[in-house]
Amino acid sequence: AQSVSQHNHHVILSEAASLELGCNYSYGGTVNLFWYVQYPGQHLQLLLKYFSGDPLVKGIKGFEAEFIKSKFSFNLRKPSVQWSDTAEYFCAVNALDNYGQNFVFGPGTRLSVLP
Amino acid sequence: SQTIHQWPATLVQPVGSPLSLECTVEGTSNPNLYWYRQAAGRGLQLLFYSVGIGQISSEVPQNLSASRPQDRQFILSSKKLLLSDSGFYLCAWSSWGADSGNTIYFGEGSWLTVV
Repeated sequence: AQSVSQHNHHVILSEAASLELGCNYSYGGTVNLFWYVQYPGQHLQLLLKYFSGDPLVKGIKGFEAEFIKSKFSFNLRKPSVQWSDTAEYFCAVNALDNYGQNFVFGPGTRLSVLP
Repeated sequence: SQTIHQWPATLVQPVGSPLSLECTVEGTSNPNLYWYRQAAGRGLQLLFYSVGIGQISSEVPQNLSASRPQDRQFILSSKKLLLSDSGFYLCAWSSWGADSGNTIYFGEGSWLTVV
């Protein structure tokens, strides 16, 4: 079965600082990888996803993530964070066997950006 | 476009009372449907998923059950609520695209407080 770990429970940054949130998964087969964001009081939204092709994926709001297959990692990055990026971020993996029915999420990383 | 609706948004129920949370999806057919529970610091726990009418898979043993009476309707139920059932419940649906893989989309969630 798949599992997902996220390196940090809570990250605190000042505006304009660079961001990298770690995500590792355990699954030996083919996967889709995702980052979802949950802004305060809002529902989960897709930030970006990897399906195939270029391992460097660009998402909304200046976020990007790099899939490194050898490290089973899918880290999220942003060169310069804004106060509005304050949110909880979830990494997720979807195994593409068994009809891709199961999405497994990490425990989440809370990002606080100080103005 | 596809939309997902989940209700009620908040619910306060006494211990031992029944529960029914409903979820409907519009704008798609034969979606995979999911019920997750979100707990602070623990990410999203998959409770049930369904690949078709009447087909329910349970991921964890618990006091809850799920049903899918129609293609785009998914219901989370309990006959007798426990205090430990309190939490934030999310309905979701997923779609598969040959060139984009699998993606999961979430409803707004339901806060359940058992008193």
